[in-house]
Amino acid sequence: EDQVTQSPEALRLQEGESSSLNCSYTVSGLRGLFWYRQDPGKGPEFLFTLYSAGEEKEKERLKATLTKKESFLHITAPKPEDSATYLCAVQAAGTASKLTFGTGTRLQVTL
Amino acid sequence: DTAVSQTPKYLVTQMGNDKSIKCEQNLGHDTMYWYKQDSKKFLKIMFSYNNKELIINETVPNRFSPKSPDKAHLNLHINSLELGDSAVYFCASSLPFGQRNEKLFFGSGTQLSVL
Repeated sequence: EDQVTQSPEALRLQEGESSSLNCSYTVSGLRGLFWYRQDPGKGPEFLFTLYSAGEEKEKERLKATLTKKESFLHITAPKPEDSATYLCAVQAAGTASKLTFGTGTRLQVTL
Repeated sequence: DTAVSQTPKYLVTQMGNDKSIKCEQNLGHDTMYWYKQDSKKFLKIMFSYNNKELIINETVPNRFSPKSPDKAHLNLHINSLELGDSAVYFCASSLPFGQRNEKLFFGSGTQLSVL
């Protein structure tokens, strides 16, 4: 069974203090790894898709990387508006449109 | 314009009742989903429809019945509600997976509380 484990569960950073979120996965043939951001009371919002080990994608202060066992979401010089829960999900080969999500990392960025 | 809209936002009901949640998307997507997010924020797929055809049914109790009248709508009907059904239910849509642009667009969720 596909599994996604995210760490840490919660992270508190000061504005400007860079850090990384981890997503470890076990999947029978990775087709894609996805990162989403979820604000309180809202649905998840798509950030990135990574398809193969070594791939990297960037958007503003966020950079996602992928290895054969895990993905990292690096946050550089975060701002308070980056506070949210970050969700990682995997799609296994041959599983149609099914995504398996982790339980997320709750990020709080303070002034 | 809201891309994926679901109603109601909040639903409070008694055990044993029957309720429905409606979802509509205006993105022109062929594929729609229902996900359930529990109190620990774990998001799990329940159903997926592609062009009105059921393609994923993840061992969800028979009390849950999705209905897709057309590819822009996917409703969720729940019979005989139980306490354990309390959660946030998200509707989502996407292009068909396999096109390498299959990001999910989620609605804002329906918080169901069964008393």
